[in-house]
Amino acid sequence: AQTVTQSQPEMSVQEAETVTLSCTYDTSESNYYLFWYKQPPSRQMILVIRQEAYKQQNATENRFSVNFQKAAKSFSLKISDSQLGDTAMYFCAFISDSGAGSYQLTFGKGTKLSVIP
Amino acid sequence: EAQVTQNPRYLITVTGKKLTVTCSQNMNHEYMSWYRQDPGLGLRQIYYSMNVEVTDKGDVPEGYKVSRKEKRNFPLILESPSPNQTSLYFCASSPSRGRGVYTEAFFGQGTRLTVV
Repeated sequence: AQTVTQSQPEMSVQEAETVTLSCTYDTSESNYYLFWYKQPPSRQMILVIRQEAYKQQNATENRFSVNFQKAAKSFSLKISDSQLGDTAMYFCAFISDSGAGSYQLTFGKGTKLSVIP
Repeated sequence: EAQVTQNPRYLITVTGKKLTVTCSQNMNHEYMSWYRQDPGLGLRQIYYSMNVEVTDKGDVPEGYKVSRKEKRNFPLILESPSPNQTSLYFCASSPSRGRGVYTEAFFGQGTRLTVV
């Protein structure tokens, strides 16, 4: 079974600074997808960024980027120029590409990020 | 607008009173699922459906039922709610990449359920 671990329950960062959220996962699959979701106080689950395991290049979406280390099974999220609106719970998630109709999106327990003015 | 719609967003009910949380998506996704979110536990999958009339259990299915009679709708049914089902519930749908592979989930707004 796949597992996703977020070792930082809470973090804080000063506005305009950079912060990195950690995520590790465990799988025997060779191909899979990884995601970071953001959940602001509104509770909505918002997809921030996705990474396909067969792609070596790290994904980037504006101020959000990932550091994907496949051998280490690590998938950290870097937020640059942090803004007050980045205050949220962040979830790392994993899904395998095993096909054959199997599917389960597995989530970590989340990291609560607070951006301080 | 492409979206997943859940109703109601807030619900307070009493133990044992049957309830249904509705979920509808307009993206023609084959895959739909239900999650519950509890503090310190992240999101856990309750049930999922890969197509009409095809449903299967997730990690925490006890006390829940689902049905998938139409592609766009996937209601969650609590036949006899109990206080331990007090939680935040999310419905989600996912696009297919073929070969039975699905990718990211698109979530509804969430339903805060309290069972007293």
